[in-house]
This record gives sequence, structure tokens and C-alpha cells, in this order.
Amino acid sequence: EAQVTQNPRYLITVTGKKLTVTCSQNMNHEYMSWYRQDPGLGLRQIYYSMNVEVTDKGDVPEGYKVSRKEKRNFPLILESPSPNQTSLYFCASSLRPGGAEQYFGPGTRLTVT
Amino acid sequence: GNSVTQMEGPVTLSEEAFLTINCTYTATGYPSLFWYVQYPGEGLQLLLKATKADDKGSNKGFEATYRKETTSFHLEKGSVQVSDSAVYFCALSGPDSGGSNYKLTFGKGTLLTVNP
Repeated sequence: EAQVTQNPRYLITVTGKKLTVTCSQNMNHEYMSWYRQDPGLGLRQIYYSMNVEVTDKGDVPEGYKVSRKEKRNFPLILESPSPNQTSLYFCASSLRPGGAEQYFGPGTRLTVT
Repeated sequence: GNSVTQMEGPVTLSEEAFLTINCTYTATGYPSLFWYVQYPGEGLQLLLKATKADDKGSNKGFEATYRKETTSFHLEKGSVQVSDSAVYFCALSGPDSGGSNYKLTFGKGTLLTVNP
């Protein structure tokens, strides 16, 4: 089954404790992206990747890092989480950018206290 | 930069009512347009899309037409069902100001509740 998986689905952590949210897709997609969803703000892009070892900032990259060492994986790293990073995070992938459909993971709900 | 404006919710309808959710956009060039749906507790899934002017996307009884002259992509359904209750997002995909990132730019979402 074609899918995007994220782990964990739910995470409660404390300020400053480094964490990683994993994202994996099994569709051989080149383009991957991270979004955060906040009430009243919709979804905003954090980082994206056009291919292996090619990543760039989206609209709200501050406080986040990513890496793309393999085509299927695109982890999101919060080196020193803060309460304003409490949000719902979605990973997405598509065959190519542009008009192609983006497939979304189920989401990771992160709470930073 | 690119932007999407969709009607504020929430929208509450009775079963079998007609649905319209308005969406307008601002973009450089010729973006692709999408409607995504998010059911409670789930990720987003594509509902329909249109990639060029005058294209009509349709799926599950929903329709939207890419209107370049009015920069709009309104979502419609003739007869909604309880199972259509969800959050609907209008989105566009087009190059950013640097021309390199074909990210999805989303509207803020419209919560639809359909009552039996």
C-alpha cells in the first residue's frame, strides 16, 4: 500500500530536549516536505526536499532541521524544542513538485511544556 | 508571494443541502489548484485538482472549476451527506518568488458539519 508514515503520532516533551520525528514514504517520490498546522493559520511549510541531499527552507524554518540521506526518509529534528513549537506536524511527498498530488502522513501531535 | 483565501467557517448544513466553499488565490504564473479534505484525526487527502484554466476537477460528487479570470476555485456539491463532515482546504502549487519551490500554499481551512 502506498503510504507516508510518521512516528511518533503523539509526543509530549519538555523545553530543550532534542527530538526527532521520522517520516518515510514507499512511493519512490522525489519531493518531500514538512508542514505544521495551527488553529487559524492553516498549514505552513517548514522545510522541503527536492531529492537526496537537497533540502531548503520553507516559510517557518526557525527552530527546525531536516536531512535527506535516503530517498524514502525525511526526518524533522527539533534540537531545542520550545513551547511555540507545540503543533500538529505533517510530512508529505509527491512524485515531483508542481501539479502532482501530495500524499500526507497521518500527523504527529507535539506538545512542548 | 502566493496566497489562498477561502471562506471562513464553520459551515453547518442539513443533509442533502447544496454546498459552496469559496476560494480565491493570488499567484505568479499558472499554478495548479487543489482541494484537500481532512477528516477528524486524519491527515489530508486530495479531493480534487485542476492544473490549467477552465479545467474542472471532480470527485465523490464534489466539483471545482479553475477560473483564471476571477482567480477562483470554488468547491461545490449538490447534495451533502453526514459523511462529508470534515475540514476542507483550498491550496495552490506554484513556484515561489525564487522560482524553485513548488510548495503547496494552503488556505486556512473551512470546517463543514452536516447534520442528519
